[in-house]
Amino acid sequence: ETGVTQSPTHLIKTRGQQVTLRCSSQSGHNTVSWYQQALGQGPQFIFQYYREEENGRGNFPPRFSGLQFPNYSSELNVNALELDDSALYLCASSSSSGGSYEQYFGPGTRLTVT
Amino acid sequence: AQSVTQLGSHVSVSEGALVLLRCNYSSSVPPYLFWYVQYPNQGLQLLLKYTTGATLVKGINGFEAEFKKSETSFHLTKPSAHMSDAAEYFCAVSPNTGGGNKLTFGTGTQLKVEL
Repeated sequence: ETGVTQSPTHLIKTRGQQVTLRCSSQSGHNTVSWYQQALGQGPQFIFQYYREEENGRGNFPPRFSGLQFPNYSSELNVNALELDDSALYLCASSSSSGGSYEQYFGPGTRLTVT
Repeated sequence: AQSVTQLGSHVSVSEGALVLLRCNYSSSVPPYLFWYVQYPNQGLQLLLKYTTGATLVKGINGFEAEFKKSETSFHLTKPSAHMSDAAEYFCAVSPNTGGGNKLTFGTGTQLKVEL
């Protein structure tokens, strides 16, 4: 069983640029959630996708957007990068069936904005 | 809205000593409760969860946690610390009322294990 994978592992961008982060969900999982973890903080929920539709959003501005594809992989896009966007971005997948509540996390993408 | 408070951003124990990491939550209804561990430069690994049923739940690596509704707590314990337990631990909650399983995390507790 393949776990959650994310790419790239590290990324350096300049303020004002745009970035796309990618996530492949665990086999059999149809739900993907994205979290932002600033240094020294707990992860903060950005949004969740279920069957290619946004299914809940945290307190993040519209320049944070996402996509989920038919194979349940997902992208997180951030436009007009700001210095405060520097963080570890975590993707988590889960299944909506069988009463399962666990989310399985990928290793994250470390984004640095200069 | 749900929230999680983890008391003590840093906890230090001796190898072989009891580990106790504290977590209190705020929610209008009892949520689902989770503990995750994060090793340096890695993602989060689920240690254990409480959804319904027995309030004492056992997880991986010898950890366990007890859900106490009256105290709105879900403290994590391990009888005997090992050097490999040194990591950051996060308590999290999610709604039990459907509509997705968004996790709300605490700010984390860094566990240090000393010889």
